[in-house]
Amino acid sequence: SAVISQKPSRDICQRGTSLTIQCQVDSQVTMMFWYRQQPGQSLTLIATANQGSEATYESGFVIDKFPISRPNLTFSTLTVSNMSPEDSSIYLCSVVLQGGAGELFFGEGSRLTVL
Amino acid sequence: GENVEQHPSTLSVQEGDSAVIKCTYSDSASNYFPWYKQELGKRPQLIIDIRSNVGEKKDQRIAVTLNKTAKHFSLHITETQPEDSAVYFCATGGNTGKLIFGQGTTLQVKP
Repeated sequence: SAVISQKPSRDICQRGTSLTIQCQVDSQVTMMFWYRQQPGQSLTLIATANQGSEATYESGFVIDKFPISRPNLTFSTLTVSNMSPEDSSIYLCSVVLQGGAGELFFGEGSRLTVL
Repeated sequence: GENVEQHPSTLSVQEGDSAVIKCTYSDSASNYFPWYKQELGKRPQLIIDIRSNVGEKKDQRIAVTLNKTAKHFSLHITETQPEDSAVYFCATGGNTGKLIFGQGTTLQVKP
């Protein structure tokens, strides 16, 4: 297993502002993903964070709204831009570990509330 | 597109009874089928998974069965305990590593 740390764990934000969430893993990682979990809902994949190149976004998510960086194997950031109350969600970093059996592990999540 | 349907959305059982949650999927390229348990306010935790080269896998009180022909798989929990109460998510994956999740099942185990 690995420690997958996300910062901030929670935040309250004003409409129209942007917030960057960081994800740091203490082990080598092959793949990193960002998921969103709206209140009482399932997990929806936002994008695959690609090391050193642009992220691969799922249908319904765009780079201007959710810019993602992954400068190295173990670190990634997700920015939620120009936030509205509809962006209030838990954002989860998830990883596939190098040397593992392909399982996906989740960070603790970052709970954002947009007023 | 890829779709995973999960049923039931809520399930209430008496302690000691069994619980079964079912998922169907549409993408025939799926070859990995994990189940996650999410307790209130916590991250999803992997509890069991199965790959398409096997039909059943068991780990103590939990088991997963897979029918690739029919594109469905199920989670079975036997001898349920109050600490099994949580939201359970099925998911499907392929060679890209990314997972598509079902809608979730809220399991309540009554003492």
